Amino acid sequence: EPEVTQTPSHQVTQMGQEVILRCVPISNHLYFYWYRQILGQKVEFLVSFYNNEISEKSEIFDDQFSVERPDGSNFTLKIRSTKLEDSAMYFCASRKTLGSGNTIYFGEGSWLTVV
Amino acid sequence: DQQVKQNSPSLSVQEGRISILNCDYTNSMFDYFLWYKKYPAEGPTFLISISSIKDKNEDGRFTVFLNKSAKHLSLHIVPSQPGDSAVYFCAASARGSNQTGANNLFFGTGTRLTVIP
Repeated sequence: EPEVTQTPSHQVTQMGQEVILRCVPISNHLYFYWYRQILGQKVEFLVSFYNNEISEKSEIFDDQFSVERPDGSNFTLKIRSTKLEDSAMYFCASRKTLGSGNTIYFGEGSWLTVV
Repeated sequence: DQQVKQNSPSLSVQEGRISILNCDYTNSMFDYFLWYKKYPAEGPTFLISISSIKDKNEDGRFTVFLNKSAKHLSLHIVPSQPGDSAVYFCAASARGSNQTGANNLFFGTGTRLTVIP
């Protein structure tokens, strides 16, 4: 069964460093998402991406965050200058099309620890 | 702003009995609802969904009920099995007002289900 894959599974970084989290969405999907879950809290929406541009973003997704689809398969989340509060599990997700009946499928997550 | 609420942080059920997980929402624009199951350090796994045009959807042991007037949905698992022990998230999305709206999901805080053998 096709799945969303993410790398790395776990990254430890120093505060202020740049981090890039990588995702390979399901191949025939058109909509891509990043979510995150801070330990003990709910899963939160960060950003959605369609047709090579951001279609929606949350308040969390400030200027320190960016997304890119550098080629036909990868979808990346960059955090320019990490803060302690960026420590979380980051989930990539993809969806085939919009509308009812089209589910968002999640990757296994990338656990980011900022020290 | 908590648009999707799961008021029970945890639930324990005996193996073989029914598990009922509840979810409430506030946004009347939501038209698609999903349940995800999540194990620690793993991504949410899609379980079952329901469109707002239906009030029930069944898939094997899992049934989701939607009460639009009450803005409430529930997930029934019967019979419950020890392998069902996980955190269950309710999620909802609304069709965007424009064609580029990506219908992102709003998640509840989750309910930890423990099925006791």
